[in-house]
Amino acid sequence: EAQVTQNPRYLITVTGKKLTVTCSQNMNHEYMSWYRQDPGLGLRQIYYSMNVEVTDKGDVPEGYKVSRKEKRNFPLILESPSPNQTSLYFCASSPTGTSGSEQFFGPGTRLTVL
Amino acid sequence: LAKTTQPISMDSYEGQEVNITCSHNNIATNDYITWYQQFPSQGPRFIIQGYKTKVTNEVASLFIPADRKSSTLSLPRVSLSDTAVYYCPPDGNQFYFGTGTSLTVIP
Repeated sequence: EAQVTQNPRYLITVTGKKLTVTCSQNMNHEYMSWYRQDPGLGLRQIYYSMNVEVTDKGDVPEGYKVSRKEKRNFPLILESPSPNQTSLYFCASSPTGTSGSEQFFGPGTRLTVL
Repeated sequence: LAKTTQPISMDSYEGQEVNITCSHNNIATNDYITWYQQFPSQGPRFIIQGYKTKVTNEVASLFIPADRKSSTLSLPRVSLSDTAVYYCPPDGNQFYFGTGTSLTVIP
């Protein structure tokens, strides 16, 4: 089944403890991205990647890192999480990052930073 | 970065047609217009996409005027299961989804 998977789905952690949220797609898509969703602020893009080894900042990149060593994986890294990073995170992929390319979203990761 | 604007929320009774309009003031010549639907605790999913005029699929219709500065998503005869948030992000490699339009369908 074509899909985007994220792990973990739920995570509670403490301030400053490094964590990684994994994202994987099995559709051979070139483009991948991360979003966070917060009440009243909607869905905001954190980082995106047009292809392997190519990443760029989205609207809210501060406090996050990403890497794209393989086409299928796009992990989101929080080196020193803070409570303001408590949010619902979505990974997405699309065949390309060009106009007309449909995005496929993962199920989401709910992160709580205490 | 091109952004869109759309109403924050709408209510509708079951069985009615719902039209949600989005403005695309800075749309680029080669950009498509795409709409997504998001249910609570799920990721958004693609509904419909178009470039000009009208597009219809099994879920919705999309109307785009000649100047492409706006688009209207039309949901025929909505049901309770259409309660969701609807987004019209500008297309391209920086997708800005914003807050979308929260549609509530009332019995």
